[in-house]
Amino acid sequence: DTAVSQTPKYLVTQMGNDKSIKCEQNLGHDTMYWYKQDSKKFLKIMFSYNNKELIINETVPNRFSPKSPDKAHLNLHINSLELGDSAVYFCASSGTFGGAETQYFGPGTRLLVL
Amino acid sequence: DAKTTQPPSMDCAEGRAANLPCNHSTISGNEYVYWYRQIHSQGPQYIIHGLKNNETNEMASLIITEDRKSSTLILPHATLRDTAVYYCIVRSNSGNTPLVFGKGTRLSVIA
Repeated sequence: DTAVSQTPKYLVTQMGNDKSIKCEQNLGHDTMYWYKQDSKKFLKIMFSYNNKELIINETVPNRFSPKSPDKAHLNLHINSLELGDSAVYFCASSGTFGGAETQYFGPGTRLLVL
Repeated sequence: DAKTTQPPSMDCAEGRAANLPCNHSTISGNEYVYWYRQIHSQGPQYIIHGLKNNETNEMASLIITEDRKSSTLILPHATLRDTAVYYCIVRSNSGNTPLVFGKGTRLSVIA
């Protein structure tokens, strides 16, 4: 069973389109995240949600809007896609393991904007 | 910004121990040392974490110096499947803190 799943795995779209990426975790965690990995392979936090509430928004453009319908899901909607949005987007959830908080990542969604 | 410094790349012969160093000289008393790795095209994978004692699990061992300013991740018998980018991250244990990734160390395990 996949702990953190994302759909789609690949997404190719035209500039200006609106698209969504879905994330689900079956670990019972309260906190979920979206990270972006750019072409230079730097992984950077975008958003953090705890129990459906936004905790962190790391200066991400307003075109990006996370939505958490319940604590097992954190979807990412992107409006007016731009070339620079091309990247790999990773969803993660976190729970306590061995006395410290540990994050579990999904397989990633590879977004290519043409 | 990441609070850790790692060598950009390392090679290791298959079957030998891989020792990956990490400097974290500004670590605070309540911050843990975490190690994650990212195998090509996959999401980051948790390996191990520690506060001040050495730790071992089925994947690796973590050796933290007494002053906590540096640590070493040890993969005791590296295999080709261990080829990945390894990230050393220091992080408070207070809830909901995201991981701050640096550039990591690209470990190549060679047959």
